[in-house]
Amino acid sequence: DVVMTQSPLSLPVTPGQPASISCTSTQSLVDSDGTTYLSWFHQRPGQPPRQLIYKVSYRDSGVPDRFSGSGSGTDFTLKISRVEAEDVGIYYCLQGRHWPRTFGQGTKVEIK
Amino acid sequence: EVQLAESGGGLVQPGGSLRLSCAASGFAFNSYWMSWVRQAPGKGLEWVAIINQDGSVKYFVDSVKGRFTISRDNAENSLYLQMNSLRAEDTAVYYCTRDIHRTGDLWGQGTMVTVSS
Repeated sequence: DVVMTQSPLSLPVTPGQPASISCTSTQSLVDSDGTTYLSWFHQRPGQPPRQLIYKVSYRDSGVPDRFSGSGSGTDFTLKISRVEAEDVGIYYCLQGRHWPRTFGQGTKVEIK
Repeated sequence: EVQLAESGGGLVQPGGSLRLSCAASGFAFNSYWMSWVRQAPGKGLEWVAIINQDGSVKYFVDSVKGRFTISRDNAENSLYLQMNSLRAEDTAVYYCTRDIHRTGDLWGQGTMVTVSS
């Protein structure tokens, strides 16, 4: 199975400051048609995950533009340009290129 | 409103069976692949199974192969997960998800399955 490794696993952040989460895969996530299947989710306690980003850099409807995704091949990044209090929770990356789909371990974002 | 609603979770003894259901509304259910994803208490996410639009293609994670079955009824806009030979490690919240771009863009609230004697 493809292993997805996130770092850091814990991220204390100051409101108004930027934040960045890294996700690395053990195999390339580029499909034969050139599409890269890497997505990002945010989960608050007691809630289902909410998708933020798909295909590396496409924001889902309603997702604030302070969230952005980048990367290629096996290395990917989620950036929050200016953290807000509502951004706390756990962030997961997901690869959809290979079966079974696999998630990263999660990065817990909390306010300092 | 576009939504997914899971049901059928509960407490079951090891070796027992349970059938989860997911009711879809507000979108063309028969146009989408659909999946089940689970999350053990305090743990991360695991993609369990996926089914294509007409039910002819199904994939399962190795840990549930031969024990779980995924199915759908497009006339009823419903997705199912039949879970047999349940083990303690199957204890989790089970989420139904709509699949597009090889990811889950819409998730239900989840249903809790507890396997314990």
